[in-house]
Amino acid sequence: GAVVSQHPSWVICKSGTSVKIECRSLDFQATTMFWYRQFPKQSLMLMATSNEGSKATYEQGVEKDKFLINHASLTLSTLTVTSAHPEDSSFYICSASGESGTQYFGPGTRLLVL
Amino acid sequence: DAKTTQPPSMDCAEGRAANLPCNHSTISGNEYVYWYRQIHSQGPQYIIHGLKNNETNEMASLIITEDRKSSTLILPHATLRDTAVYYCIVRVAGTGNQFYFGTGTSLTVIP
Repeated sequence: GAVVSQHPSWVICKSGTSVKIECRSLDFQATTMFWYRQFPKQSLMLMATSNEGSKATYEQGVEKDKFLINHASLTLSTLTVTSAHPEDSSFYICSASGESGTQYFGPGTRLLVL
Repeated sequence: DAKTTQPPSMDCAEGRAANLPCNHSTISGNEYVYWYRQIHSQGPQYIIHGLKNNETNEMASLIITEDRKSSTLILPHATLRDTAVYYCIVRVAGTGNQFYFGTGTSLTVIP
């Protein structure tokens, strides 16, 4: 299957700082990438849909000014959590959609905000 | 919102077939059934998908009922490494169409 990477795999930051997470499709071009968040013992929750060269589409209840998404190329999307607070601590997962429409997921980034 | 219903948990003996059911009674004619699994603290792994015909690959088989209102994922010879949460998702094909995850089935393979 297709390979999607995320960086960093985990990050600890102080409250009020911003954190950037990168998502890369390594062996295919992805016109669409998706960002999810997962809290402990819960399912994945879709945050936003990211299309290359255009603005991301956010799910209801997700603050677009807090979770900045950039999809500058067909292999890279970034999620920036701005002014992070402890309640933003979570497991953030991206996925990239290939030509078939199947989504391939990254390994996830664990964020802990102190 | 997720359009699927799955049992919250199941056990399976190692070496036996694991049959994971999924109900999707409101599925539309152009929606596919996808299966993913998530091993603890990792990103979901694609397993298989289908529209109306049964499908098989090196990981699993997918059996879709004739009315398409339910499906079953079959792991033919479960191993301890198959212990994971399994998600059934229905979705229109296409690169830009979203996945909405339900609660999934936590499968435990018992030695």
